Amino acid sequence: DTEVTQTPKHLVMGMTNKKSLKCEQHMGHRAMYWYKQKAKKPPELMFVYSYEKLSINESVPSRFSPECPNSSLLNLHLHALQPEDSALYLCASSLHGGTGDYGYTFGSGTRLTVV
Amino acid sequence: GENVEQHPSTLSVQEGDSAVIKCTYSDSASNYFPWYKQELGKRPQLIIDIRSNVGEKKDQRIAVTLNKTAKHFSLHITETQPEDSAVYFCAATYGQNFVFGPGTRLSVLP
Repeated sequence: DTEVTQTPKHLVMGMTNKKSLKCEQHMGHRAMYWYKQKAKKPPELMFVYSYEKLSINESVPSRFSPECPNSSLLNLHLHALQPEDSALYLCASSLHGGTGDYGYTFGSGTRLTVV
Repeated sequence: GENVEQHPSTLSVQEGDSAVIKCTYSDSASNYFPWYKQELGKRPQLIIDIRSNVGEKKDQRIAVTLNKTAKHFSLHITETQPEDSAVYFCAATYGQNFVFGPGTRLSVLP
């Protein structure tokens, strides 16, 4: 298995809703990431988990809450989002964390629309 | 912090011609430089990478060159095909992570 699987592919949520994005990989990668990508922009780092521990939080608002239940799974819990949070949310994994010298495998992303 | 610049922002070439995209970075400690291709509505995909102990790497029609002294690296695509049309992002390591360039939209005209 050489893929990162993200669900759902599309999500529309209201500003008072609570929802979760899910990411799964079975490549034995020990680092997993959440990125946010707006149209025509590069991916922006949100969170990094290395060996299941949160190692980088790029000052993301608390309405985004990551969770890494085990080395294969990564969740992003969403609560009280704003319309400007609408974007493509990408999960990625890499062989090791902490060195940044291995390429990422990206998932297909969840296209989130906040109404 | 690390700053990665990428040029040009858009590039149009005729099918069969070559395309070159250039990136510069600021952190001399950066030691790994991947390139990603993102087609419309799809995920970024790693197409080639280079480590700082190598000056050039080639994979079929794609090559990357690195000049550590000048802190720049370039993507070269030869014999371009319509399916090469996409947005290309360069990246450079910064600490535990990457910094991405702003992207180049490549259009290959038939």
